[in-house]
Amino acid sequence: DAGITQSPRYKITETGRQVTLMCHQTWSHSYMFWYRQDLGHGLRLIYYSAAADITDKGEVPDGYVVSRSKTENFPLTLESATRSQTSVYFCATIPRGWRAGDEQFFGPGTRLTVL
Amino acid sequence: GENVEQHPSTLSVQEGDSAVIKCTYSDSASNYFPWYKQELGKGPQLIIDIRSNVGEKKDQRIAVTLNKTAKHFSLHITETQPEDSAVYFCAAPHSTLNYGGSQGNLIFGKGTKLSVKP
Repeated sequence: DAGITQSPRYKITETGRQVTLMCHQTWSHSYMFWYRQDLGHGLRLIYYSAAADITDKGEVPDGYVVSRSKTENFPLTLESATRSQTSVYFCATIPRGWRAGDEQFFGPGTRLTVL
Repeated sequence: GENVEQHPSTLSVQEGDSAVIKCTYSDSASNYFPWYKQELGKGPQLIIDIRSNVGEKKDQRIAVTLNKTAKHFSLHITETQPEDSAVYFCAAPHSTLNYGGSQGNLIFGKGTKLSVKP
């Protein structure tokens, strides 16, 4: 039972390149989230998705693009990577509906370095 | 919108002592307050949460207290052990990213790095 996986786990890229981070879940959860984690900022929401083909911006969406053609996958694309996007990226899911009290299950994270 | 402040940013205790981490929030409509623990190299994991209709909740050595009047909530860890060493995050519903009364989106505090010395 893999649960939620992220790939790659580590990525080094150069400024201006396009990078796609993958998130895959085996639970068929409806809601999925992308966060970035930076020292001194905690976890900040980039994008979230309520279901396949439904996505919304979070707190820090600039420079990122998401898609969700299938329930189980939620890729995050940096169209033209910048050094400020060096961070650890976490994907998360909620198993049930859109209400308070649902635990968010996090993936293991992707450490991205932009040179 | 909601703002969550977490203190302290780092906390060092001796094994067996208690640890307390505090968070304040700004949106009086918030009614769900989770705490997440993040071990080195892993994603955060929920350890305890509390809803606004109760003032305290316990689960073995951890407890969370909520003061809605003062808009703050705290995580208490008693009899700390080395395996409690981690980064702890508090969170509250994100008032500007939730619709129709839902509170699924969370805004997180900046985290507290807890070190338990054997």
